[in-house]
Amino acid sequence: DSGVTQTPKHLITATGQRVTLRCSPRSGDLSVYWYQQSLDQGLQFLIQYYNGEERAKGNILERFSAQQFPDLHSELNLSSLELGDSALYFCASSVAGQGNNEQFFGPGTRLTVL
Amino acid sequence: QQPVQSPQAVILREGEDAVINCSSSKALYSVHWYRQKHGEAPVFLMILLKGGEQKGHEKISASFNEKKQQSSLYLTASQLSYSGTYFCGTLGGSQGNLIFGKGTKLSVKP
Repeated sequence: DSGVTQTPKHLITATGQRVTLRCSPRSGDLSVYWYQQSLDQGLQFLIQYYNGEERAKGNILERFSAQQFPDLHSELNLSSLELGDSALYFCASSVAGQGNNEQFFGPGTRLTVL
Repeated sequence: QQPVQSPQAVILREGEDAVINCSSSKALYSVHWYRQKHGEAPVFLMILLKGGEQKGHEKISASFNEKKQQSSLYLTASQLSYSGTYFCGTLGGSQGNLIFGKGTKLSVKP
């Protein structure tokens, strides 16, 4: 158990819908990272927040957005869902904001878009 | 910019050794290694930094050739528990985000 929690574990929805994935980092960690994992693409970095502020952005689609709240939990919002958005979404946390820190991954949310 | 891992997959018998390679076309500041077992989250193995520093939690050895922009992970006397997919992640500078390779699937058979 990494100490990072993610809810829900599974999510099944239809194309065009909007969903919210939630992540609570390990106690004391200020950084939260979001990754998308699909079979053919591996782990793709989406976005990082550090202490409430956006720190780095990857190839995150405009239909996706995220935020980190004052209690440091983070939410990833996915809208106008398409079939290709079906994937495993991981949240990870680390102590500091620099990239050179061990990241602790949550158990993931499996999103299925039908 | 995504690092290239090789081999894509490897099958071992318990006790055998394996080497997993990670190479980048860009200059690297650090290389990170993670292992992901089927149906689970990735777990940190090691960070190798420019200049030779290493940070890790397991008795796994690795090397980082800064000039060649390559890293290798050495798995010796493999155990069944080593099975999983190994990912390398690379950083071009002290800031920024990790870019992960597509992974190397390791299967250890009894």
